[in-house]
Amino acid sequence: DQQVKQNSPSLSVQEGRISILNCDYTNSMFDYFLWYKKYPAEGPTFLISISSIKDKNEDGRFTVFLNKSAKHLSLHIVPSQPGDSAVYFCAASARDSGYALNFGKGTSLLVTP
Amino acid sequence: GAVVSQHPSWVICKSGTSVKIECRSLDFQATTMFWYRQFPKQSLMLMATSNEGSKATYEQGVEKDKFLINHASLTLSTLTVTSAHPEDSSFYICSARGGVGGYGYTFGSGTRLTVV
Repeated sequence: DQQVKQNSPSLSVQEGRISILNCDYTNSMFDYFLWYKKYPAEGPTFLISISSIKDKNEDGRFTVFLNKSAKHLSLHIVPSQPGDSAVYFCAASARDSGYALNFGKGTSLLVTP
Repeated sequence: GAVVSQHPSWVICKSGTSVKIECRSLDFQATTMFWYRQFPKQSLMLMATSNEGSKATYEQGVEKDKFLINHASLTLSTLTVTSAHPEDSSFYICSARGGVGGYGYTFGSGTRLTVV
């Protein structure tokens, strides 16, 4: 049972434009959300996170928005750069489950020059 | 920053043999380590949570006798795939809490296991 869903397997964006990656979750107990960037045959690299008590967190070109009522979060990358091309995973965690991460299936982002 | 070293990065083994994967936290103590598995174009699925000095907690559907996890020290956890079969071929990744940023999670670089 997939508790974290990324319904877009791929996304293509032109360099300089905004990339918006979406994530939905079903477990209302999740209280921490993270975005990771991953290349094939490598471990995930942490990008940005957000606690359930916030609705927005910004770090440089990356901003994560959380809509708890809709159980939805999104990652905005602006401006997008070719080096951002990778697979992006959304992950969620609940304190009462020992902080283990539940991952979505990922969205493959391609930023074209 | 926090580093988790995972070895080997790739391994090919014959069906029926066992393979050990090591995960070390290099500059911090990891009381809890997590083991994930990823199939192509799929999510990272949590296999088990290991706590230093105690038995690992396995997720539903993961055979504990097949995937042996040992967390003997605060900096080392191992995953042994016993009597490997081709269907065990996958990408295995460990993660440890204790670093900074992202809830303190730091991931290893992963191990590509191919069973022939």
